[in-house]
Amino acid sequence: QKEVEQNSGPLSVPEGAIASLNCTYSDRVSQSFFWYRQYSGKSPELIMSIYSNGDKEDGRFTAQLNKASQYVSLLIRDSQPSDSATYLCAGPSGAGSYQLTFGKGTKLSVIP
Amino acid sequence: KAGVTQTPRYLIKTRGQQVTLSCSPISGHRSVSWYQQTPGQGLQFLFEYFSETQRNKGNFPGRFSGRQFSNSRSEMNVSTLELGDSALYLCASSLLDRATEAFFGQGTRLTVV
Repeated sequence: QKEVEQNSGPLSVPEGAIASLNCTYSDRVSQSFFWYRQYSGKSPELIMSIYSNGDKEDGRFTAQLNKASQYVSLLIRDSQPSDSATYLCAGPSGAGSYQLTFGKGTKLSVIP
Repeated sequence: KAGVTQTPRYLIKTRGQQVTLSCSPISGHRSVSWYQQTPGQGLQFLFEYFSETQRNKGNFPGRFSGRQFSNSRSEMNVSTLELGDSALYLCASSLLDRATEAFFGQGTRLTVV
């Protein structure tokens, strides 16, 4: 099973700052990655999908995929206290795999 | 469009009992995956079904089983419950037949006493 690893955190940033969350993966063939946000006591919620090298922006969120270096990141601009949650990255378990492998998550706290 | 529905939301069971959890995927989604989430282990993959066929199984003992029905609804069963089975059980559905965007239900919180 392919590995997806996240910087363990926790990560604290002041309100209005940029939060940077990173994830590395072991499978060079993986084509797509996903970022999930999970509030305490809730289930994961899909917030970003990225399928190609480069950046993908959606509002205050930017996902970056670098296949050569095998990492994927999530930037949150103008961080808000409501962004405080655990962020999980996920990718296929291998080429043609039917399942997603999740990192253990990074807990983000945005301090007002 | 309704999301993924899991029932029940909360369960308390005694060691040695068995439990069945249910998941109704998003309409039109044919892939259903199950995960166990605990504070120490994160999200652990249990199994995945597509068109009533189990295509992948995670590294869990045979006490954990599942099935999918023709309407894509899925159930998972845990027999002979152990204290360590206490966890949040999550179901996720996907539209396509490969690892892609998965949408989670609210989960079933199982407590084994």
